[in-house]
Amino acid sequence: DAKTTQPPSMDCAEGRAANLPCNHSTISGNEYVYWYRQIHSQGPQYIIHGLKNNETNEMASLIITEDRKSSTLILPHATLRDTAVYYCIVRFPSGNTPLVFGKGTRLSVIA
Amino acid sequence: EAGVAQSPRYKIIEKRQSVAFWCNPISGHATLYWYQQILGQGPKLLIQFQNNGVVDDSQLPKDRFSAERLKGVDSTLKIQPAKLEDSAVYLCASSPGIILVEQFFGPGTRLTVL
Repeated sequence: DAKTTQPPSMDCAEGRAANLPCNHSTISGNEYVYWYRQIHSQGPQYIIHGLKNNETNEMASLIITEDRKSSTLILPHATLRDTAVYYCIVRFPSGNTPLVFGKGTRLSVIA
Repeated sequence: EAGVAQSPRYKIIEKRQSVAFWCNPISGHATLYWYQQILGQGPKLLIQFQNNGVVDDSQLPKDRFSAERLKGVDSTLKIQPAKLEDSAVYLCASSPGIILVEQFFGPGTRLTVL
């Protein structure tokens, strides 16, 4: 079973920041937080991951609380192409560990 | 670099028929995964290969599903006989097996069982 809890859906106005929350209260010390997204009719796509420090890449920023029990994925300027299902996944960083997906958050970016 | 390739993209069959899906992972990726995604749910792992050996097939319904990865490259997933509840998207993913390196997914095969 997935070890994360996410809201089922969210809306965001185009050009505004989208903040997607995730609760992972049972995360262990060596587990990372990963975010993937799945655009309609495509396979999931990696976005970002982190352990305890905030992370930023060209796609998004990841903010992890100090106690590591929750995190927020931030899309700074959402576009219509960011409409997708976003999955928050907790896992060990082994290169061979499969992903355990929950139901994710369906983000709708509205013009 | 080329991504994960899957075929066919769509397949419609009658229940009790057989079907096979094909996956070509990214070149050099040692680890290959098959996931099943039922409508409205997240993907669920069916089987994981490391080169041509099975690492985890605990969630594969072995009475009807089979998978192989010949020569540690391409892989096929077969369903025989298909049931209505097998209607889903079947996703193939690969990774180089290196720590902290993500998985890359193919576009998936959408199977409809009538």
